[in-house]
Amino acid sequence: AQSVSQHNHHVILSEAASLELGCNYSYGGTVNLFWYVQYPGQHLQLLLKYFSGDPLVKGIKGFEAEFIKSKFSFNLRKPSVQWSDTAEYFCAVNPTGGFKTIFGAGTRLFVKA
Amino acid sequence: GAVVSQHPSWVICKSGTSVKIECRSLDFQATTMFWYRQFPKQSLMLMATSNEGSKATYEQGVEKDKFLINHASLTLSTLTVTSAHPEDSSFYICSARDDGYTFGSGTRLTVV
Repeated sequence: AQSVSQHNHHVILSEAASLELGCNYSYGGTVNLFWYVQYPGQHLQLLLKYFSGDPLVKGIKGFEAEFIKSKFSFNLRKPSVQWSDTAEYFCAVNPTGGFKTIFGAGTRLFVKA
Repeated sequence: GAVVSQHPSWVICKSGTSVKIECRSLDFQATTMFWYRQFPKQSLMLMATSNEGSKATYEQGVEKDKFLINHASLTLSTLTVTSAHPEDSSFYICSARDDGYTFGSGTRLTVV
């Protein structure tokens, strides 16, 4: 069965620290990959997505993610986090041409001011 | 960008009653919409795929008769929780596919 694994459930960082959130998936075919963010009290928003092409994808608010096909990974990165990045981050995978999107369990990021 | 409107944002109902949640795509047509349930401190669980003009496709373990889905038009899908019980209390979210997946703001259902 397809699955998405996010390694860190909780991450605490100080402002200006660098961030990397891990995401691995299990699916043998081609996939579309997403990172979503859910700020406290708000709904899910798309941060970035990968469909094809350059495996290094840049999203909003300075986030980027790199698709490494050989590792089935799509890790999210940001060089310098801000207090306003405190939120829950979800990795999601959708087999190309399929409808179902599978979400990871989420990673709660808390950034200390 | 694409917007999905979900209504109501929160509802409290008595055990045994039914609750309807609406999901509308405001500026695009969505032949397919998705209904998720989010348990506290857990990820989103896909409940069903709603297809315009045809029956919904339910995920394993989701009761069709309990969670009725109707996708009557290209911009509206509804989820009705029938005979709600306290264990149905949860956060329900719909989404529609455009360029990525656009999510509604969610509905917090509390059954007392």
